[in-house]
Amino acid sequence: KNEVEQSPQNLTAQEGEFITINCSYSVGISALHWLQQHPGGGIVSLFMLSSGKKKHGRLIATINIQEKHSSLHITASHPRDSAVYICAVRLATLMNGLTFGKGTHLIIQP
Amino acid sequence: KAGVTQTPRYLIKTRGQQVTLSCSPISGHRSVSWYQQTPGQGLQFLFEYFSETQRNKGNFPGRFSGRQFSNSRSEMNVSTLELGDSALYLCASSLGTGRTGELFFGEGSRLTVL
Repeated sequence: KNEVEQSPQNLTAQEGEFITINCSYSVGISALHWLQQHPGGGIVSLFMLSSGKKKHGRLIATINIQEKHSSLHITASHPRDSAVYICAVRLATLMNGLTFGKGTHLIIQP
Repeated sequence: KAGVTQTPRYLIKTRGQQVTLSCSPISGHRSVSWYQQTPGQGLQFLFEYFSETQRNKGNFPGRFSGRQFSNSRSEMNVSTLELGDSALYLCASSLGTGRTGELFFGEGSRLTVL
């Protein structure tokens, strides 16, 4: 069983819609990252969270440590938001690198 | 401020050869981590270095190795290449590790093994 589960795997929405991507993990973590990857490979770090909520422009990320769950929200979605969104966690155990979810393929249609 | 630079961007090798990939982090960043991305397995962690010391290592065979130099630049090496090593290899730099470790990724090195 993958330690990091993302849902949905694929999401197609219309421009302007409110988007939610979910990430659940099974063990204690010290930090959670949300990453964005556009076709061609480049990865951009959107957020790093250890508690609470962060906002950057139209993007909002929340984390609930007790429930081992994080969400990434996109408000007023735009076709340029089309990308793969990846959740990654750093386990609380020392000497661990990142463990990744399989990603959510998001397509925003004009 | 220059971003993370990876070289080469593309390379083709044959089975049994070895390859060395380079990563130059953002100036002032002391942590470099490496990742492998394939269509089947997705992103997987390879190594993490901080101040020339390997801090963490992922679950990869000993053919995969790396190092970090005093200027924080890092290299990874894959020996005796196999077809399954074909992948996008990404590196990321950060100021520190753990909770101070916001990641900045390079564009990646795309390796094809024939």
